[in-house]
Amino acid sequence: EDQVTQSPEALRLQEGESSSLNCSYTVSGLRGLFWYRQDPGKGPEFLFTLYSAGEEKEKERLKATLTKKESFLHITAPKPEDSATYLCAVEQAGTALIFGKGTTLSVSS
Amino acid sequence: DAGVTQSPTHLIKTRGQQVTLRCSPKSGHDTVSWYQQALGQGPQFIFQYYEEEERQRGNFPDRFSGHQFPNYSSELNVNALLLGDSALYLCASSPQGWGEQYFGPGTRLTVT
Repeated sequence: EDQVTQSPEALRLQEGESSSLNCSYTVSGLRGLFWYRQDPGKGPEFLFTLYSAGEEKEKERLKATLTKKESFLHITAPKPEDSATYLCAVEQAGTALIFGKGTTLSVSS
Repeated sequence: DAGVTQSPTHLIKTRGQQVTLRCSPKSGHDTVSWYQQALGQGPQFIFQYYEEEERQRGNFPDRFSGHQFPNYSSELNVNALLLGDSALYLCASSPQGWGEQYFGPGTRLTVT
């Protein structure tokens, strides 16, 4: 069965302490991998799309990378405002997005 | 440019009742997808509408139905509500199919 697994489920960091979130997938025919940020009680906010292994994208303190089996979201020198749940989703050809359960990040000052 | 909007924000219903949720897509987007998100889970795909037709459906019972209007806005209807239908219902829009989807703020449905 196609699956998207995110780890860790929860991550606590001190402000400035860099780390990475993982998204592993077992779908065939990947067309795209998406990262979203979700604040409590709100809809997911689009961050990145990655299409092929080796691709990288950056936005402020975030950098997303993709291999053939997983994606990483690297957070450099995080700030408290980066606290949120980060969701990963994959798209196969002509099918709905499959979301992972997310990683809840807490950054304390 | 307004993003995806949803109404109402919150809703409380009784088991067995029916509910209608509404969504207006981002300007320029013609495809609307609906998701159900339970607490602590990722969004689960319900169905997608394109050109006023249901193009794809997830693993949800027929109690969940929808509609898309000529202006691309959409409705999600749920009949015979169950306690397990309590969740955040998200609408997402995109230009022609999948790819980057932009989500609305969601409707929090509580079934008592």
